[in-house]
Amino acid sequence: LAKTTQPISMDSYEGQEVNITCSHNNIATNDYITWYQQFPSQGPRFIIQGYKTKVTNEVASLFIPADRKSSTLSLPRVSLSDTAVYYCLVGDDDKIIFGKGTRLHILP
Amino acid sequence: DAGVIQSPRHEVTEMGQEVTLRCKPISGHDYLFWYRQTMMRGLELLIYFNNNVPIDDSGMPEDRFSAKMPNASFSTLKIQPSEPRDSAVYFCASSLLGRGAQETQYFGPGTRLLVL
Repeated sequence: LAKTTQPISMDSYEGQEVNITCSHNNIATNDYITWYQQFPSQGPRFIIQGYKTKVTNEVASLFIPADRKSSTLSLPRVSLSDTAVYYCLVGDDDKIIFGKGTRLHILP
Repeated sequence: DAGVIQSPRHEVTEMGQEVTLRCKPISGHDYLFWYRQTMMRGLELLIYFNNNVPIDDSGMPEDRFSAKMPNASFSTLKIQPSEPRDSAVYFCASSLLGRGAQETQYFGPGTRLLVL
């Protein structure tokens, strides 16, 4: 199971682009990189997943360099409603470990 | 689909009482997970089921905790007797095909448990 390291917390302002980087130095060949978002008083929800290069959906982009030892979740033009905890998960078929995540606080 | 349904949403009980948390997974999902979330420990996996069979209960903290899945549409997590340190938010989640990171898990709204 690949261990991940991400910042405990981040602050940003409305309208800014936010990038949250996750380190996973011992990622295995078959591992995928998945990000979940958890709003206060709700369960986590899937936002994006990737294996290599770049993935984009309506919520976020995920950038993965060639060595795959890190990944960056990019949230374009954040709003107050993007205040949440963001979890980086790495693995394939093994059970996942959420950890503490990154607490993102968006300021007006 | 209504998503994963959990009940009750809030539970306040006294130490020593039995607590039962309930979960209805998304129809057709083969995997069901129970998590516990606290500020100190984050989100921890307690147990998961595949096709109603418990596969890994290594995260269950002690014998006071038990979980069952009598059929594909219902699961319970029971704490007997409850203790104040069991106070947490308990989440149920389900996934279609697997337990791993490549399979999306869909979470319920959680049950906020307070043991006095």
